[in-house]
Amino acid sequence: AQTVTQSQPEMSVQEAETVTLSCTYDTSENNYYLFWYKQPPSRQMILVIRQEAYKQQNATENRFSVNFQKAAKSFSLKISDSQLGDTAMYFCAFMTGTSYGKLTFGQGTILTVHP
Amino acid sequence: DAMVIQNPRYQVTQFGKPVTLSCSQTLNHNVMYWYQQKSSQAPKLLFHYYDKDFNNEADTPDNFQSRRPNTSFCFLDIRSPGLGDAAMYLCATSEGLASTDTQYFGPGTRLTVL
Repeated sequence: AQTVTQSQPEMSVQEAETVTLSCTYDTSENNYYLFWYKQPPSRQMILVIRQEAYKQQNATENRFSVNFQKAAKSFSLKISDSQLGDTAMYFCAFMTGTSYGKLTFGQGTILTVHP
Repeated sequence: DAMVIQNPRYQVTQFGKPVTLSCSQTLNHNVMYWYQQKSSQAPKLLFHYYDKDFNNEADTPDNFQSRRPNTSFCFLDIRSPGLGDAAMYLCATSEGLASTDTQYFGPGTRLTVL
């Protein structure tokens, strides 16, 4: 069975600063994919960034980047130049190549960006 | 804008009284999912439809059923809600089941069971 663990229930950061959210996972599969989803207060969850396990290069989407350490089974999200609109619950999620759409989510980290 | 719509956003029901939650999509996606998200917990997949094919997760209670009458709509039926079924219910859609098929989520329906 796959598990995803987010050890930081809450984080806070000042506007314009950088913050890193942690995620670890456990799997025996070799073919898998990792995701970070953002769930703003009272709004729908949206995909922030995706990483294929077979790719060594870390994924980047504008101010969002990941640090993927496959051997350590670690997948952290770095948010640069934090903005007030980044305030949200962030979920790390996992999918194997054969899980047919099933996302396994971590517990989530509530991020608050302060002005 | 194409989107995933869930109605109602808040639903209150009584213990044991059947309730139906609704999801619709304008994305014309093949797959529709239902997730349960209890307070301070991770979203958990209940089941999904690929077109008309229904796929139930092994640990989804029999109390939870789903219907997909057409591509655009999918319903979650809870036959006899218990207090433990109080949660946020998230609907999501995707083009297919590949990991490269992004899942698009609705805003959720928060269910309260009295």
